[in-house]
Amino acid sequence: DIQMTQSPSSLSASVGDRVTITCRASQDISNYLAWLQQKPGKAPKSLIYAASTLQSGVPSKFSGSRSGTDFTLTITSLQPEDFATYYCQQYNTSPFTFGQGTRLDIK
Amino acid sequence: EVQLVETGGGLIQPGGSLRLSCAASGFNISSNYMSWVRQTPGKGLDWVSVIYSGGNTYYADSVKGRFTISRDNSKNTLYLQMNGLRAEDTAVYYCVRAVGDWGQGTLVIVSS
Repeated sequence: DIQMTQSPSSLSASVGDRVTITCRASQDISNYLAWLQQKPGKAPKSLIYAASTLQSGVPSKFSGSRSGTDFTLTITSLQPEDFATYYCQQYNTSPFTFGQGTRLDIK
Repeated sequence: EVQLVETGGGLIQPGGSLRLSCAASGFNISSNYMSWVRQTPGKGLDWVSVIYSGGNTYYADSVKGRFTISRDNSKNTLYLQMNGLRAEDTAVYYCVRAVGDWGQGTLVIVSS
């Protein structure tokens, strides 16, 4: 199975900050990487697919990038509604494994 | 507008069976790959199964041989038949369209 190592597991930031979350795949997954946002008590919401393509309606403050098997989610100008848990997921090969999640909270 | 509505969750004894349904609207499930993902309360996301548009299916090792994913194109509905349920299957189960849309989830509790 492909392991997705996500870091950090938690992150404190202030409104207006820029943050970066990273996922490393244990093997090549091409661009088959998605980023999800989950707020407490809610279903996950897809933000980005194919490593860097924003889902319709997702603001451009979210961006994704890839360097080999390393993937990055960047969120600029943090607003209160951005504080949530973020997950990466590879969908190159079954099982479609997830990262462990990054909890982003307000400093 | 795409909508996914899961039903069928509940309290079930260990060893029992449940069938989850996911009614889709706004798109054809036969044209997309569809997955089930679960989440134990307070924990991370755990991929369960996928069915591709061509009908191929795949499962997580933890559920292989016990769970079956299927779909009814005429009803535009995805299913997850769960047999031999265990306490560790307790979770919220989500229906997912490709890497896009998620349902609201249905809670399965396996307990005596």
